[in-house]
Amino acid sequence: GQNIDQPTEMTATEGAIVQINCTYQTSGFNGLFWYQQHAGEAPTFLSYNVLDGLEEKGRFSSFLSRSKGYSYLLLKELQMKDSASYLCAVKLLSNDYKLSFGAGTTVTVRA
Amino acid sequence: SAVISQKPSRDICQRGTSLTIQCQVDSQVTMMFWYRQQPGQSLTLIATANQGSEATYESGFVIDKFPISRPNLTFSTLTVSNLSPEDSSIYLCSVKQERHYGYTFGSGTRLTVV
Repeated sequence: GQNIDQPTEMTATEGAIVQINCTYQTSGFNGLFWYQQHAGEAPTFLSYNVLDGLEEKGRFSSFLSRSKGYSYLLLKELQMKDSASYLCAVKLLSNDYKLSFGAGTTVTVRA
Repeated sequence: SAVISQKPSRDICQRGTSLTIQCQVDSQVTMMFWYRQQPGQSLTLIATANQGSEATYESGFVIDKFPISRPNLTFSTLTVSNLSPEDSSIYLCSVKQERHYGYTFGSGTRLTVV
């Protein structure tokens, strides 16, 4: 089976920075996604990494190291609306579009 | 990006009955998927809905329990059959964006079995 690990919960203060780590051991690797999911809503796309390195998109950045099986999502200048679950997902094969998800990290932003 | 309309948004069903969930996409998409999200957990893939042919099910999910239809490239249904309380969950459809690496999700169906 696929193994994708994330911390269960994280808490941070408004305006601060939080880093959510994701480690994976999967039968294949063809890219890693980060999704944000507010309670009761659909997951929404945040980032996609397929090559090593850092991808920056506004307040959110995502990093990938394929040799270490490791990614992180960095949330800067936290806002209350960033309180949500963050899902790490791996696309396993280039010719198969299924995603395998981690259990998700619930981030709570406090004033 | 594609927009998905998923219905119903929630339902409460009796044991032994079935619920059919619909997903309508505003554009033609090749790849469509059905997921289950149990309370406090992440998404588990149920099956890939194939247009014009039988769905491809993941380990632990069978056609008799989760029949899927995909009559065209914009529509699919998932039926959860012979309901038991263990089927209480959120069910989501998802599509792979055409000519893009991203995936879009429906808003989900919250099913409660009593």
